[in-house]
Amino acid sequence: AQKVTQAQTEISVVEKEDVTLDCVYETRDTTYYLFWYKQPPSGELVFLIRRNSFDEQNEISGRYSWNFQKSTSSFNFTITASQVVDSAVYFCALKGSGGSNYKLTFGKGTLLTVNP
Amino acid sequence: NAGVTQTPKFRILKIGQSMTLQCAQDMNHNYMYWYRQDPGMGLKLIYYSVGAGITDKGEVPNGYNVSRSTTEDFPLRLELAAPSQTSVYFCASSYSRAAGQPQHFGDGTRLSIL
Repeated sequence: AQKVTQAQTEISVVEKEDVTLDCVYETRDTTYYLFWYKQPPSGELVFLIRRNSFDEQNEISGRYSWNFQKSTSSFNFTITASQVVDSAVYFCALKGSGGSNYKLTFGKGTLLTVNP
Repeated sequence: NAGVTQTPKFRILKIGQSMTLQCAQDMNHNYMYWYRQDPGMGLKLIYYSVGAGITDKGEVPNGYNVSRSTTEDFPLRLELAAPSQTSVYFCASSYSRAAGQPQHFGDGTRLSIL
């Protein structure tokens, strides 16, 4: 069975602070993919990043960075110098490569509020 | 740049009524999905389709039906609406089932059943 845990239900920071959103996953597949999605207050789901299980290099995109560590089954997301526009619910998701590889397993999401 | 289009955006139903949530994509994606999002619960898969004429159940299919007569359209039907179906519904599509393909989501339909 696959599982994604986002232990932080809500995080509140002040603008310009750095913030890390945690994601821990469970899967029996040796090949799998991890995703982060952003859901702003307007409600749509925006794809941010995809990572496969064979690529543990950290990735940086502007103020966003992702730290993938297979040893701890974690795929954490850091926003540097947060801005009010970063306020959203962030979902971590997992897709395996076995028989259920159609299925995205989502965490429950972390609500990030960035205050001015 | 339409992507995945869902209609309606909001709807209020009475218990026992039926309705169809529409979903259309213009990216020529073979795979389409329906999810529901309940507060604090993430998204759960209702049904999915691997191509026209082929559909299958996800995690929470009870109370719903789907059809896929064309590549573009994947409507979700509620036959006898119940309060437990109050939720936000998302349609998504992907080019293939390959695990690395991201799913692209519509803007959602907020459904309340009273």
